[in-house]
Amino acid sequence: DSGVTQTPKHLITATGQRVTLRCSPRSGDLSVYWYQQSLDQGLQFLIQYYNGEERAKGNILERFSAQQFPDLHSELNLSSLELGDSALYFCASSVGSGAKNIQYFGAGTRLSVL
Amino acid sequence: GESVGLHLPTLSVQEGDNSIINCAYSNSASDYFIWYKQESGKGPQFIIDIRSNMDKRQGQRVTVLLNKTVKHLSLQIAATQPGDSAVYFCAENNDMRFGAGTRLTVKP
Repeated sequence: DSGVTQTPKHLITATGQRVTLRCSPRSGDLSVYWYQQSLDQGLQFLIQYYNGEERAKGNILERFSAQQFPDLHSELNLSSLELGDSALYFCASSVGSGAKNIQYFGAGTRLSVL
Repeated sequence: GESVGLHLPTLSVQEGDNSIINCAYSNSASDYFIWYKQESGKGPQFIIDIRSNMDKRQGQRVTVLLNKTVKHLSLQIAATQPGDSAVYFCAENNDMRFGAGTRLTVKP
């Protein structure tokens, strides 16, 4: 158990809908990262937050947004969903904000857009 | 931009043999590297890391080698076991991209 909690585990929705994925980092970790992993693909970095502030941005679509709350949990909002958004979404956390930090990953949320 | 890449997408080994998984990087400014293991249906897990002031680092049954001259990393797994079957990713501190990973399959 990595200590990172993601909910829900599975999500099935329709095109055009909006969903929210939630992540609770490990106790003491200030950074949260979001990744998208499509079938048999690598991890696509979406965005990083550190202590409530956006720290780094990857290939995150404009239809996607995220935030980190004062209690350090994070939410990833996906809107106007398309079939191609079906994927595993992972959250990871680390102690610091720099890239020299080991990331601890949650078990992921599997999103299916029908 | 520069990215982390992998030489082989799949690797199949016999149980008990040693495995070598390779990773190329192109950002010469990177000075910290991490290997992650992702088992089916799970999130990636940290295996081992190495800083650029080292050429080699050993863990339990795993060894990471770093060749800064050719910008190459390798992960060696000794006496590979069925539980080692997974996708292995390398990551560098100057690139948030993980690459596709290498899928290791261990045959009994």
